[in-house]
Amino acid sequence: QITLKESGPTLVKPTQTLTLTCTFSGFSLITDGEGVAWIRQPPGKALEWLAIVYWDDDKRYSPSLQSRLTITKDTSKNQVVLTVTTMDPVDTATYYCAHRGRWQAHDVFDVWGQGTMVIVSS
Amino acid sequence: DIQMTQSPSSLSASVGARVTITCRATQGINSYLNWYQQKPGKAPKLLIYTASNLQSGVPSRFSGSGSGTDFILTISSLQPEDFGTYYCQQTYGLSRTFGQGTRVEIK
Repeated sequence: QITLKESGPTLVKPTQTLTLTCTFSGFSLITDGEGVAWIRQPPGKALEWLAIVYWDDDKRYSPSLQSRLTITKDTSKNQVVLTVTTMDPVDTATYYCAHRGRWQAHDVFDVWGQGTMVIVSS
Repeated sequence: DIQMTQSPSSLSASVGARVTITCRATQGINSYLNWYQQKPGKAPKLLIYTASNLQSGVPSRFSGSGSGTDFILTISSLQPEDFGTYYCQQTYGLSRTFGQGTRVEIK
């Protein structure tokens, strides 16, 4: 059974860097085809895809946020970390990590974490 | 970047009704289109992948169709537990863009 759980600060100040950790079980990020993505959702708004890291350490970022995002994986800890620099109140959102279905020809997010709420305020 | 537009933005239908939600891409995306259901306060749940494939465990009243730029999610007989917001997502372009969502309410 695949599970994912997000962790990180609930409150960050404007201009600070946000670091979120996704801790997962039930799969390994060294296995061919696996991947973990980050998606966020501002209160009352739509989902926004942020980034994905694949088993081979290939990475993709949202073009509109690429300059502020870094995604990394730690296969020994079964974790994926997302950093977001220069946080602003508009970055207030619930941040989700999700598992990429291993056998898919494209990115299909078949299992999601519960999400973690991040508020940006001074 | 590829943009996704869903219609309608919201709908209200009776139990047993047939419901369709459309999703249109600004350029062709082959069949690289997924559908998710999200209930209030919960994480999204995968319903349909690659335009028409039903995710394991999802009721057969849900179905997807389309390719290229136009896609449809159909609920053949709406059930009380089908309330929530439905999102399409393309994974063809550089970004993995979501639509703006369709809110489904039970009358």
